[in-house]
Amino acid sequence: DQQVKQNSPSLSVQEGRISILNCDYTNSMFDYFLWYKKYPAEGPTFLISISSIKDKNEDGRFTVFLNKSAKHLSLHIVPSQPGDSAVYFCAASARGGSQGNLIFGKGTKLSVKP
Amino acid sequence: DTGVSQDPRHKITKRGQNVTFRCDPISEHNRLYWYRQTLGQGPEFLTYFQNEAQLEKSRLLSDRFSAERPKGSFSTLEIQRTEQGDSAMYLCASSTRTGATYEQYFGPGTRLTVT
Repeated sequence: DQQVKQNSPSLSVQEGRISILNCDYTNSMFDYFLWYKKYPAEGPTFLISISSIKDKNEDGRFTVFLNKSAKHLSLHIVPSQPGDSAVYFCAASARGGSQGNLIFGKGTKLSVKP
Repeated sequence: DTGVSQDPRHKITKRGQNVTFRCDPISEHNRLYWYRQTLGQGPEFLTYFQNEAQLEKSRLLSDRFSAERPKGSFSTLEIQRTEQGDSAMYLCASSTRTGATYEQYFGPGTRLTVT
């Protein structure tokens, strides 16, 4: 049973517009969430994280929103740029990541068209 | 560049052979993780070390897999008697505590193809 779900395998957005990537989780013990970006033939690159004590975290063009009651988080990219085209993975962990392993979703492929 | 490095980047081997991969973490990071990623999936956790101690192993890590981090610096992942199902990208990550959380930083991965 998948504990972290990214239900949209792909998303296409026009350059300059907002990209919204969604992620749902089932394990109520998760309290730390991360987003990674992955280009082909490279390892995942850390983008942004959020602890469950917050409901929003911003870093430049990237904002992550956490809705604990719905067990849902989203990544907003504004404005979207062609270089943002990649696969985005949502990951979750318990105890602030101190438990060790991250549980990943299957990813959403974002295409930003010029 | 002081990021996570992995060697080799690609490995092609025949079924039944043994293979070993190396990971060098970011120098000040005391935690090191191994993940496996197959096509269309997210990374799946295999094992992790804090310094030289192996603290957790996934059930995915069969007895053909072994990982070491002898001096708390680099780590090796060995797969014995490889099978075609072992074909995957093997990712290494490292982390250290930042406040109350651990952010994991990944290397470029080693792509294993078993023929």
